[in-house]
Amino acid sequence: AQSVTQLGSHVSVSEGALVLLRCNYSSSVPPYLFWYVQYPNQGLQLLLKYTTGATLVKGINGFEAEFKKSETSFHLTKPSAHMSDAAEYFCAVSDRTTGTYKYIFGTGTRLKVLA
Amino acid sequence: ETGVTQSPTHLIKTRGQQVTLRCSSQSGHNTVSWYQQALGQGPQFIFQYYREEENGRGNFPPRFSGLQFPNYSSELNVNALELDDSALYLCASSPDREANVLTFGAGSRLTVL
Repeated sequence: AQSVTQLGSHVSVSEGALVLLRCNYSSSVPPYLFWYVQYPNQGLQLLLKYTTGATLVKGINGFEAEFKKSETSFHLTKPSAHMSDAAEYFCAVSDRTTGTYKYIFGTGTRLKVLA
Repeated sequence: ETGVTQSPTHLIKTRGQQVTLRCSSQSGHNTVSWYQQALGQGPQFIFQYYREEENGRGNFPPRFSGLQFPNYSSELNVNALELDDSALYLCASSPDREANVLTFGAGSRLTVL
């Protein structure tokens, strides 16, 4: 069965510092992987996705993620944090084994950016 | 293009009552999925509708039910509300059943007292 583990429920970085949010997955088939961001009192916004092809995926707002099959990881990075990046981030894997194509989400990582 | 819109944005109910949440899918999308996001948790899949038929269900009891209409809008109905049903309910639409990319609405926040 598919699953997602996000290490660190809370991450704090200084403005201008590197952002690294960790995501490990388990999947019985080649995974489709996603990162979503959620701002307070809002829905989820897609940051980036990996389906096939290039393993380094670039998304919106300067974020990128690298799919590493050997490590079953899909960590999210941004070279320089901005105050506006403070939000909750969710990693998800698409479960395509049952014909339903549902997403399995991690429990989320709340990013705090310090001035 | 319009995105996914949900109504109401907030509502308060008491235990045992029933609630209906509504979702208008993004233009051109024929698949709608519903997720429950409890406080401090990631979204959990409730069910998916494709062309007006249920296309899969998560681990939720039968008192959670849904509909999809010919214009691909959707409703989520919850009967016999329990305190643990308090959550943000998210609707997401996609242009096809494979749902490679979901577009989420802002959600309906339900509080059960």
